[in-house]
Amino acid sequence: DGGITQSPKYLFRKEGQNVTLSCEQNLNHDAMYWYRQDPGQGLRLIYYSQIVNDFQKGDIAEGYSVSREKKESFPLTVTSAQKNPTAFYLCASSFALGQPQHFGDGTRLSIL
Amino acid sequence: QQPVQSPQAVILREGEDAVINCSSSKALYSVHWYRQKHGEAPVFLMILLKGGEQKGHEKISASFNEKKQQSSLYLTASQLSYSGTYFCGTELNTGGFKTIFGAGTRLFVKA
Repeated sequence: DGGITQSPKYLFRKEGQNVTLSCEQNLNHDAMYWYRQDPGQGLRLIYYSQIVNDFQKGDIAEGYSVSREKKESFPLTVTSAQKNPTAFYLCASSFALGQPQHFGDGTRLSIL
Repeated sequence: QQPVQSPQAVILREGEDAVINCSSSKALYSVHWYRQKHGEAPVFLMILLKGGEQKGHEKISASFNEKKQQSSLYLTASQLSYSGTYFCGTELNTGGFKTIFGAGTRLFVKA
């Protein structure tokens, strides 16, 4: 079955440490997205990618970085510059920008 | 730029109806609706592309008033399975196709 796989489901970060969240899709979608979800604030866009080797900053990109070297993969790195990284992170994909998005099950990141 | 959803939360008894509104201060190209159950990923419900368009999904339908820059989600004869948080996502009429999500409306249906 096609879908989006995010790993790990739970992740703990030490102060000053970079961590990378994985997102893989086998839906043959061109567009991929990363969102951050905090209680009561909905989904906030971190980065998005329209096509391989291209990505754009979303509304809250500071302290995060991404790469899109393969169509199937869009990993997100939470750097030590992100001072408040504790949140639920959701990856999504769609056939193209503006099309309905299919979401992964998310990664919950916490600070030790 | 974030669309405003109302109400923030609603509690229904099974079989009752509800309306969730989503409004924007800017001209919209489209509106998406998603439902997220507790601890799960958001699931796409429907997309509305034209002014005045209405669509349906099960007993859930939506309208999009382009002139008023708002969309409404109608839940008819609600079922227990409708419980969750409903998000609208809007795309502006200025191009770019970047979807901006509202803060969500929490819906709880009780027996």
